[in-house]
Amino acid sequence: AQTVTQSQPEMSVQEAETVTLSCTYDTSESDYYLFWYKQPPSRQMILVIRQEAYKQQNATENRFSVNFQKAAKSFSLKISDSQLGDAAMYFCAYKGGSEKLVFGKGMKLTVNP
Amino acid sequence: SQTIHQWPATLVQPVGSPLSLECTVEGTSNPNLYWYRQAAGRGLQLLFYSVGIGQISSEVPQNLSASRPQDRQFILSSKKLLLSDSGFYLCAWSKGLAEGTDTQYFGPGTRLTVL
Repeated sequence: AQTVTQSQPEMSVQEAETVTLSCTYDTSESDYYLFWYKQPPSRQMILVIRQEAYKQQNATENRFSVNFQKAAKSFSLKISDSQLGDAAMYFCAYKGGSEKLVFGKGMKLTVNP
Repeated sequence: SQTIHQWPATLVQPVGSPLSLECTVEGTSNPNLYWYRQAAGRGLQLLFYSVGIGQISSEVPQNLSASRPQDRQFILSSKKLLLSDSGFYLCAWSKGLAEGTDTQYFGPGTRLTVL
């Protein structure tokens, strides 16, 4: 079975600085997708970024970028120029051949002004 | 653009009472639909998913059930709620199989408290 691990339950960053959130996963599948979702206090899950495993190029969405290391099964999220609105729970998720998204336990990010 | 709605937003129910949570999607057709539950301080657990009207797959056997009476409507039900059913319920949709189902988009969720 696939698993997703987020080893850091909490992190904090100063406004305007850069922070990296780590995620590792375990799978025997060769084709899959990886995601980062953000869950603000409203609790709606918002898609931040998506990575296709067959693409070597790391995905980027404005201030958000990933470092995808397929051999190491690592998928970290870098947030540049952190803003107060970035404060939230962040979940790493995996989707392989089944319909199920497998989520990590999440990490709480605090942004200090 | 596509939007997903869930209601009610908040619900407080006594143990043993029935439950009906509704999810609807606008702006797309033939979506895949999903129900997830998030317990306090934990990640999301997939409960049910549906690839078409009347087609329901269950991931976790329990006293909940799901139905899809219309293409863009997904309902989560229970005949008798348990204390352990408390949690945050999220509905999600993705494009149908023909278009690629990799990315799921979530609704605003329903906070259920069973007393």
